[in-house]
Amino acid sequence: AQSVTQPDIHITVSEGASLELRCNYSYGATPYLFWYVQSPGQGLQLLLKYFSGDTLVQGIKGFEAEFKRSQSSFNLRKPSVHWSDAAEYFCAVGAPSSASKIIFGSGTRLSIRP
Amino acid sequence: DTGVSQDPRHKITKRGQNVTFRCDPISEHNRLYWYRQTLGQGPEFLTYFQNEAQLEKSRLLSDRFSAERPKGSFSTLEIQRTEQGDSAMYLCASSLAVTLNTEAFFGQGTRLTVV
Repeated sequence: AQSVTQPDIHITVSEGASLELRCNYSYGATPYLFWYVQSPGQGLQLLLKYFSGDTLVQGIKGFEAEFKRSQSSFNLRKPSVHWSDAAEYFCAVGAPSSASKIIFGSGTRLSIRP
Repeated sequence: DTGVSQDPRHKITKRGQNVTFRCDPISEHNRLYWYRQTLGQGPEFLTYFQNEAQLEKSRLLSDRFSAERPKGSFSTLEIQRTEQGDSAMYLCASSLAVTLNTEAFFGQGTRLTVV
C-alpha cells in the first residue's frame, strides 16, 4: 500500500527566503504525486502534480517539485516565499493502477517571518 | 461558481444525533470522493463513487457512516449516532475520470463538531 511521510510538522522561513518542504513516499512502482495547499478556512488547492516525464515539475504560485525515484522523494521548492504562502502544505500519492484515491501526508505548516 | 460545493459549512450536533452532509461536484465530473480531516492531520480517504456506484470504502467508514450518490450527481454522507470522535472536517472532491491522470478538485469542507 502507498504511504506518504512529511517529516517536518512546522517550518518558519523569512519572507524572501527560499523554501523546501520534504516529502517521501512508499509505493512499489512510479506513483502519481501531488502537492496541495490549504489555507485557513479554505479547501485544498492543487499546486502541482507529477505523472510521468520530466522529473522537475512546475506548478502555480511559483512552486516547483522534483521527483527523485532513487530517494523516493518529491520535495516542494520555491526560490522566494511571500507572506501569502503561509498555509498548510500536503504531499499526496496516488496509485496509477487504480487511480481511485489519493493518500495524503500529515502536512507541513509553513509560517512566514516578516 | 462551478467548483465543488458542500453544505453545510459548519455543523454542531449533540452526541447520538444523526447528521447528513451534501456535496455537489463539478457538473461534468463522474468521480466523487469523501475524505475526513482531523486537526493536525492530512485528509483520510473514506469512500469514492464513479457515477452512482460506490466503488471503494475505507475501513474508517464504520457501520454508522453511509454515503450515497443516487443519480450520479450530488452525494450525501450520513453519520448516525454521532460520537465525539466523529468531530472533523469532512471534505468532498470530484474528478473527471477520462484517463487515469486526472486531478481531484476539493470543496471547502463541512466542519462537524459533536458535543
